[in-house]
Amino acid sequence: DAKTTQPNSMESNEEEPVHLPCNHSTISGTDYIHWYRQLPSQGPEYVIHGLTSNVNNRMASLAIAEDRKSSTLILHRATLRDAAVYYCIRTIYNQGGKLIFGQGTELSVKP
Amino acid sequence: DSGVTQTPKHLITATGQRVTLRCSPRSGDLSVYWYQQSLDQGLQFLIQYYNGEERAKGNILERFSAQQFPDLHSELNLSSLELGDSALYFCASSVGSTSSYNSPLHFGNGTRLTVT
Repeated sequence: DAKTTQPNSMESNEEEPVHLPCNHSTISGTDYIHWYRQLPSQGPEYVIHGLTSNVNNRMASLAIAEDRKSSTLILHRATLRDAAVYYCIRTIYNQGGKLIFGQGTELSVKP
Repeated sequence: DSGVTQTPKHLITATGQRVTLRCSPRSGDLSVYWYQQSLDQGLQFLIQYYNGEERAKGNILERFSAQQFPDLHSELNLSSLELGDSALYFCASSVGSTSSYNSPLHFGNGTRLTVT
């Protein structure tokens, strides 16, 4: 079971940091954590992924708990363009190439 | 721009009809995935092709079929359309057959199908 658990919705203020949580308590040692986001009327867009260590890229940071049972996507300064549905996805080695999307977290950003 | 191209962007058709959705993957990508997104079901994986061969099947109805051609573009055929088939259909691509395990999938912006 590759299930992850995320809050249905979150709110943020523009130019403030946003921390989006994800629980994946049944994760195994070789499972990756990926984050995708979907802006209105667009296809999902890759944000970041990681295995054990914290990861940074130009879009966001991914903080993975030491026990790997949870992770947090960090947007350092939210903009109005970051309003989207954010999906936390666990990928399992040898389970094929498809991604299984849950319901995600709908992030709204207030000016 | 993800590099994945889907056509058409919008399609309106009647119940009982048949339509074909087209996807051109990113240059160099051999895998193509099809997803359906409806309001009540979220993003559902339909089917994956890798280098012309079917690799994985999800919740794809028997009325739906897909193929990947030698030039790697893919088509999703939907027949005997019903009102409930109205949805956004997304295509994604990746280099390998299991690339999404530790690499990004690249999605197109979808085809919005409306069945009346």
